[in-house]
Amino acid sequence: AQTVTQSQPEMSVQEAETVTLSCTYDTSESDYYLFWYKQPPSRQMILVIRQEAYKQQNATENRFSVNFQKAAKSFSLKISDSQLGDAAMYFCAYTGGNKLVFGAGTILRVKS
Amino acid sequence: GAVVSQHPSRVICKSGTSVKIECRSLDFQATTMFWYRQFPKQSLMLMATSNEGSKATYEQGVEKDKFLINHASLTLSTLTVTSAHPEDSSFYICSAPQTSGGTGELFFGEGSRLTVL
Repeated sequence: AQTVTQSQPEMSVQEAETVTLSCTYDTSESDYYLFWYKQPPSRQMILVIRQEAYKQQNATENRFSVNFQKAAKSFSLKISDSQLGDAAMYFCAYTGGNKLVFGAGTILRVKS
Repeated sequence: GAVVSQHPSRVICKSGTSVKIECRSLDFQATTMFWYRQFPKQSLMLMATSNEGSKATYEQGVEKDKFLINHASLTLSTLTVTSAHPEDSSFYICSAPQTSGGTGELFFGEGSRLTVL
């Protein structure tokens, strides 16, 4: 079964600084998708960024970028120029078919 | 992006009663919908996959008689918590893929907070 591991329960970053959230996963499949979702206090799940496994190029979305290492099964999220609105729970997620498997989540705190 | 709406957002009920939560895809058809349960500061745990026109597929350990799922149409799935007890109190979230094939992102409802007294 596929598993997703986020080893950082909590992280803190100073406003305007950069922070990296870690994620590793385990799968025997070659085609799959990886996601980072953000869950603010409202608890609405918001897609931050998505990576197709067949693409070597790391995905970027404005201040958000990933470091996708397929061989190492690693998928970290880098947030640049952190803002107060980035404070939330971040979930790494994997899907090789219809099911989306989530990691345990990382609480990100942003200090002003 | 696609919109998924859940209702109600909050519900309080007495122990022993049943509660129905609706999940609608507002601007696309969803042959599949997923129901998750989330405890405070924890991850989302998949409960079941709702399939339009057929029975839901439940994850291991989820009581199908306790959590009844009905995918009535291509835009509506319902989760009924039957004979609710305080331990069923949780945050329930539905989601749906906009495209078939399971390779796209999931769109999530706003979630429903259930409190059983």
